Amino acid sequence: QSALTQPASVSGSPGQSITISCSGTSSDVGDYNYVSWYQQHPGKAPKLMIYEVSNRPSGVSNRFSGSKSGNTASLTISGLQADDEGDYYCSSYTSRTTLVVFGGGTKLTVL
Amino acid sequence: EVQLVESGGGLVKTGGSLRLSCAASGFTFSGYSMNWVRQAPGKGLEWVSSTTSSGSYTYYADSVKGRFTISRDNAKNSLYLQMNSLRGEDAAVYYCARQRDWYYFDYWGQGTLVTVSS
Repeated sequence: QSALTQPASVSGSPGQSITISCSGTSSDVGDYNYVSWYQQHPGKAPKLMIYEVSNRPSGVSNRFSGSKSGNTASLTISGLQADDEGDYYCSSYTSRTTLVVFGGGTKLTVL
Repeated sequence: EVQLVESGGGLVKTGGSLRLSCAASGFTFSGYSMNWVRQAPGKGLEWVSSTTSSGSYTYYADSVKGRFTISRDNAKNSLYLQMNSLRGEDAAVYYCARQRDWYYFDYWGQGTLVTVSS
């Protein structure tokens, strides 16, 4: 059981927007603005998409955005494209002994 | 170009040991904290261990504490993970990842597969 809770799957059609939620606690998401999001294509390494809740690394499309409210963080992808399909993981710094926690991952399907 | 290349994975018996390596290039290795993150087959990501830039401080997930040891050689631009007393649940792809600020990872290696069998 992962420390952060994500929906197992989401789907959307090309051009649409989708949002993936990431629910944590006051020991991680709720108390720190250190949430990051990763995209993973099958057989590939994860790729950083969002860091510190809402910042995009250089080279990541502005179609990707992040936000947080209370203990829940969200990743929104607008203008869905076929290449957006894959698994998405949220992560957060935590004050618990395990310094970093991940969500269980969300499989995004572009219809 | 930043590159992280893991090696050392393979098949090991339950209770056995394995040492993973990660060769870094394209950045000043000694200036960054480094981490190991693993992914069991068909499962999600799990943080394993972290070491500060100098190697002075190390941190571990509860699931590996006392069995795994992270270390680094800044002269060789290399990160290591010594894994002892391996269990079936340690079977995974192990990724080396460069850490930025508060535990986000901006570069990842391609991973090395560890298989544990009885």
